[in-house]
Amino acid sequence: DTGVSQDPRHKITKRGQNVTFRCDPISEHNRLYWYRQTLGQGPEFLTYFQNEAQLEKSRLLSDRFSAERPKGSFSTLEIQRTEQGDSAMYLCASSADRASTEAFFGQGTRLTVV
Amino acid sequence: DAKTTQPPSMDCAEGRAANLPCNHSTISGNEYVYWYRQIHSQGPQYIIHGLKNNETNEMASLIITEDRKSSTLILPHATLRDTAVYYCIVRGYSGNTPLVFGKGTRLSVIA
Repeated sequence: DTGVSQDPRHKITKRGQNVTFRCDPISEHNRLYWYRQTLGQGPEFLTYFQNEAQLEKSRLLSDRFSAERPKGSFSTLEIQRTEQGDSAMYLCASSADRASTEAFFGQGTRLTVV
Repeated sequence: DAKTTQPPSMDCAEGRAANLPCNHSTISGNEYVYWYRQIHSQGPQYIIHGLKNNETNEMASLIITEDRKSSTLILPHATLRDTAVYYCIVRGYSGNTPLVFGKGTRLSVIA
């Protein structure tokens, strides 16, 4: 499978715990995006990487959220001190570094904070 | 904020064409129209995109009006598996900006 891969697919955690999600983009895709989606809403943009550089962050990305892409390949999204409001689907997408190109999404990580 | 307007829901009979409208009256000259769909509990799936000419691929056709202020996604023979939320998105040519999703149109294909 050469699509975008996300791990884990599901995560249940207690409030206050830290969680980390991983995204493996399509090989050679330079651009990587993280989104969050809550029930009944469209995906909301969180942050964007061009290779290892984090170029854009949404105001939704509070201080408790941090994303990295250290070698320009896979990326991690960490949430510290989780809150019940963090419960959502976290989606990763990647695209090639060229104009008017489509982005491809992974299947997402569903986080439930109890 | 999303720069597009879509009806919240539509129904379509199985085997018939599904025509999903989208208004993007503030679209700029270098912005493309993208369509994605999301089947329940899955990640969004790319369908098609275009600038000003009509586009067709194995999944769908995209018809963009001459003034580019609106477009229609056409699924020529809808099946039950096409039941999903369909998102119309306007995005700059460079492609280095994130896709901004609205609430989309929930298409229900009925047997």
